[in-house]
Amino acid sequence: QVTLRESGPALVKPTQTLTLTCTFSGFSLSTSGMCVSWIRQPPGKALEWLARIDWDDDKYYSTSLKTRLTISKDTSKNQVVLTMTNMDPVDTATYYCARSYSSSSGLAPDYWGQGTLVTVSS
Amino acid sequence: QSALTQPASVSGSPGQSITISCTGTSSDVGSYNLVSWYQQHPGKAPKLMIYEVSKRPSGVSNRFSGSKSGNTASLTISGLQAEDEADYYCCSYAGSSTSWVFGGGTKLTVL
Repeated sequence: QVTLRESGPALVKPTQTLTLTCTFSGFSLSTSGMCVSWIRQPPGKALEWLARIDWDDDKYYSTSLKTRLTISKDTSKNQVVLTMTNMDPVDTATYYCARSYSSSSGLAPDYWGQGTLVTVSS
Repeated sequence: QSALTQPASVSGSPGQSITISCTGTSSDVGSYNLVSWYQQHPGKAPKLMIYEVSKRPSGVSNRFSGSKSGNTASLTISGLQAEDEADYYCCSYAGSSTSWVFGGGTKLTVL
């Protein structure tokens, strides 16, 4: 059974750095074709893809946010970490982590976490 | 402003069929057969309904189908049911520099 769970602060101040952790089970990020992405959704708005890390440690970032994002993995802990620097109120959103596996859904995320709401406010 | 354009809302009666369009450019939808569709109920995480334009993940009803022509992808839901009422998002690969882009979402109302 594949599950993902996001964790991190619910509230951050402007200019601070946000660190989110995705803890997963039911798959290994060392398996060829496996990927984990971060996607966010501001309240009442559309989804926005942020970053992805692959089984071979390749990393991909949103062009508009790449200077602020870092994604990493700890395969032994079954975790993926996303950091976003210089947080702003417009970054207030629900942040999701999601898995892709080439053998089941190509590169499209097929299993998602429940999401974690991050509010940026002083 | 989202990279992919979807209608803000569509509606249909139970049993009917509806189609949601997703218009991109030659740099995303038009260049890659990597369009996916997600269903999202209020307060819930998105659920993958279609990937690689027209493939259905295991467990997704065959009432859901996808297609693509040029720079426009489409999601068709046949035999509408009340539980299909949700927001639907398309997503496309847009090349290594941009990676993935989403549409603005379409609210489906089952009348």
